Amino acid sequence: EVQLVQSGAEVKKPGESLKISCKGSGYSFTSYWIGWVRQMPGKGLEWMGIIYPGDSDTRYSPSFQGQVTISADKSISTAYLQWSSLKASDTAMYYCARHSSSSGTGYWGQGTLVTVSS
Amino acid sequence: QLVLTQSPSASASLGASVKLTCTLSSGHSSYAIAWHQQQPEKGPRYLMKLNSDGSHSKGDGIPDRFSGSSSGAERYLTISSLQSEDEADYYCQTWGTGKWVFGGGTKLTVL
Repeated sequence: EVQLVQSGAEVKKPGESLKISCKGSGYSFTSYWIGWVRQMPGKGLEWMGIIYPGDSDTRYSPSFQGQVTISADKSISTAYLQWSSLKASDTAMYYCARHSSSSGTGYWGQGTLVTVSS
Repeated sequence: QLVLTQSPSASASLGASVKLTCTLSSGHSSYAIAWHQQQPEKGPRYLMKLNSDGSHSKGDGIPDRFSGSSSGAERYLTISSLQSEDEADYYCQTWGTGKWVFGGGTKLTVL
């Protein structure tokens, strides 16, 4: 069974750093893209970026380039999304999802709620 | 520019059918899309991948009530025999080389 399990909710202060994770299981982790998607309170889905764990090829949405860093550790089948200096506007739910061009974005993680407040 | 357009809202009665539309931007009518459902207070759930020729492959456990079709740049999601749990936001998504695009979502109300 394919599963993407994300790390738990986080409460941080502005200016702090954060790294959240997405662990894949039940499939070949290196053979599918993993994407990250932001959903701000009451809003729609926004694509942030994707990574191919097989070779760490990473692409970012222009809206998020330079604001976050996406990485992966294929030895533990885990992808990461990180911030070096959080802002209150980063408060949102963040989802990871598995993707291939042939089968689409077929599996989602359960989401990680990030709250940034002083 | 690759853009997906969805109507913000739709409504239909319990037991009826509804057809939601997702429109690809000019020059992108050959693109496949995916439909995702997001029930209130839940994460997105993959419904299906829908190709330009109307062929589609559904996710695990997706009922037969959900089907997809295509015409030109339009991609459709039809839900028949509407149930209360179908009240949700529905997003279409497509992808190009190294990027994803989401539509703005359609909020479906079951009356």
